[in-house]
Amino acid sequence: QKEVEQNSGPLSVPEGAIASLNCTYSDRGSQSFFWYRQYSGKSPELIMFIYSNGDKEDGRFTAQLNKASQYVSLLIRDSQPSDSATYLCAVNRLRGGGNKLTFGTGTQLKVEL
Amino acid sequence: KAGVTQTPRYLIKTRGQQVTLSCSPISGHRSVSWYQQTPGQGLQFLFEYFSETQRNKGNFPGRFSGRQFSNSRSEMNVSTLELGDSALYLCASSRGQGNTGELFFGEGSRLTVL
Repeated sequence: QKEVEQNSGPLSVPEGAIASLNCTYSDRGSQSFFWYRQYSGKSPELIMFIYSNGDKEDGRFTAQLNKASQYVSLLIRDSQPSDSATYLCAVNRLRGGGNKLTFGTGTQLKVEL
Repeated sequence: KAGVTQTPRYLIKTRGQQVTLSCSPISGHRSVSWYQQTPGQGLQFLFEYFSETQRNKGNFPGRFSGRQFSNSRSEMNVSTLELGDSALYLCASSRGQGNTGELFFGEGSRLTVL
C-alpha cells in the first residue's frame, strides 16, 4: 500500500464545472496535508494546506480533510482551462520540527472548453 | 522577491561520475529540502537542512548527500552515479519555523546519466 494514493487520471471536466480530486493516506499520525499544482514542465506550487478536520476554502478551492477516514480532497469550483495541471497531494507526518513531505503521484486534471 | 534558484538547470553525466547541484533559497528562508522527481516514483524526499544541520532524511542510499551553508544556500551531491539517478532534482525552501510543509520549489536540475 502506498503511503499517499491518488487516482492518476486524467480527470476531465467541462469548463465551469466542479472538479473533485481525492487522496488517501496510510499513516494515521499524519499531521498536515497539502495540495500542490504542477503544470507540465514546471515545478510544483502550493495551492492549499489543511491541518484540521473539516473544510477550508480559499477562493475557488476547497480542501476537505477527514482524519477518521484518512481522506483528503480538493474541490475546484468554476473550473477553468488554466486549472489543467497535475495536482499532487502531500502529507507531512512529522510531529516535531521539519518538512518531510510524502507526495502522491498526482492526478492529472483536464478542463475542457 | 527572488524565488528559489537552482543551478545547473540541465546536466549530462556518465555512470560512475559524481554531480553537485546548487540551490539558493528565497531570502529569509532557513529551510532547504531536496526532492527527486521521476515519472515512475513521483516526488520523493531526499533530505532537509535547517540552520546548516540536516534535520530530516529520506530513504536514499549514502551516495546522496547534502549540506547547507551559513547563508542558507544548499548543495546536494550524488556520487558514483547510476542510470537510475536520472531525474529532476527539486529544491524547495521554507521559512523553517515549525513543520508547515509550505514549500516553495525551484525550477529543478534535470540530470541525465548515460
